[in-house]
Amino acid sequence: QVQLQESGPGLVKPSGTLSLTCAVSGGSISNSNWWSWIRQTPGKGLEWIGEIHHSGSTHYNPSLKSRVTISADKSKNHFSLNLSSVTAADTAVYYCARNGRVSVDYWGQGALVTVSS
Amino acid sequence: EIVLTQSPGTLSLSPGERATLSCRASQSVISSYVAWYQQKPGQAPRLLMYDASSRASGIPDRFSGSGSGTDFTLTISRLEPEDFAVYYCQLYGSSPPMYTFGQGTKLQIK
Repeated sequence: QVQLQESGPGLVKPSGTLSLTCAVSGGSISNSNWWSWIRQTPGKGLEWIGEIHHSGSTHYNPSLKSRVTISADKSKNHFSLNLSSVTAADTAVYYCARNGRVSVDYWGQGALVTVSS
Repeated sequence: EIVLTQSPGTLSLSPGERATLSCRASQSVISSYVAWYQQKPGQAPRLLMYDASSRASGIPDRFSGSGSGTDFTLTISRLEPEDFAVYYCQLYGSSPPMYTFGQGTKLQIK
């Protein structure tokens, strides 16, 4: 059973960079799956941020693409999210997840990140 | 960009009743690219259905999905107390890869 766990600062200052890491257990990020970051806000609901393959290939949501970087560390079996130039609108619960073929089949428990000075 | 609209926003039913949740896409989509999720308070979403009508592992058979084109439905045949939650539909887009979610339907106890 694949398990995912997000970690990182729960508070980020405006204009700063939000950084989160997702530790994967019970499976390897070096398999054929893609791995995603998804966030959830009361206002916009669930929003897919982007995905990464262990080969290093990435795809990003066009609405966030200019500010997002997703990377992976196969040796540590984790992948990471960096979101730059954050504002209060980036306050959300951030989930890391494993993609199935065309859906998301495993989710982390979520990490609340608040953008505030 | 394809938009998914779920209805109703809130559905109030009693245990034992049948629930029908709708998800409408702004343009015709490939049905095998539609999924449904259940989310309870304080928890991550859980995959219920993929390919519009295939149940994910461990999902009881009272859950079923159907639809094609622009209209998709999640049906819960007989509501159990643990089914009261928020339900989301999701669409996969392949060019470029993209996951789009509906705004959710809250299923609450009447």
